[in-house]
Amino acid sequence: QSVLTQPPSVSGAPGQRVSISCTGSSSNIGAGYDVHWYQQLPGTAPKVLIYGNNNRPSGVPDRFSGSKSGTSASLAITGLQAEDEADYYCQSYDSSLGGSVFGGGTKLTVL
Amino acid sequence: QVQLVESGGGVVQPGRSLRLSCAASGFTFRNYGMHWVRQAPGKGLEWVAVISYDGSIKYYADSVKGRFTISKDNSKNTLYLQMDSLRPEDTAVYFCAGASSGWYGWFDPWGQGTLVTVSS
Repeated sequence: QSVLTQPPSVSGAPGQRVSISCTGSSSNIGAGYDVHWYQQLPGTAPKVLIYGNNNRPSGVPDRFSGSKSGTSASLAITGLQAEDEADYYCQSYDSSLGGSVFGGGTKLTVL
Repeated sequence: QVQLVESGGGVVQPGRSLRLSCAASGFTFRNYGMHWVRQAPGKGLEWVAVISYDGSIKYYADSVKGRFTISKDNSKNTLYLQMDSLRPEDTAVYFCAGASSGWYGWFDPWGQGTLVTVSS
């Protein structure tokens, strides 16, 4: 059971928009700690996709965007492409646990 | 270029020890805190431990507290994870990652990971 809750899977057709939610609590996202998102392609290490809730590192397409409100955050992907098929994880800090926490991960399937 | 390379993984019996290393290059390692993150086969990411830039502050996940020790040698640009009293549930790919923007920040860069299998 992960501290941050994500849907196990989402899917969409090429060109469509999908959203992945990340629900936390008052000791992590709700306490004001930033949310970061990672993309993990099969057999590779995770790569940061969004940092500080809504910032994209250089090289990440603007099809990816992040938002945060209250105890939740979301990752949106527009104009879905086949290469977006991957696992996506949210991450934040939890003051009760005294360390970083990850969501359980969401598998994105491009139909 | 910025690079982290883990080593030291392998097969170990329950109750035994293993030490992982993470060699850093392409950035000023002594200025960065560092994390270890693990991923059990077919499972999600689990944060394991973090160390401050100078090695003076360390925090651990409850699942490894008292058994694992994180350390860093800034003269060798290397991060370590000493794993004692290993259990089958410690079987995972272990990644080292940089602590961007302090304790609460994101993890970047990442190493490619090293597989630890705990089995008799």
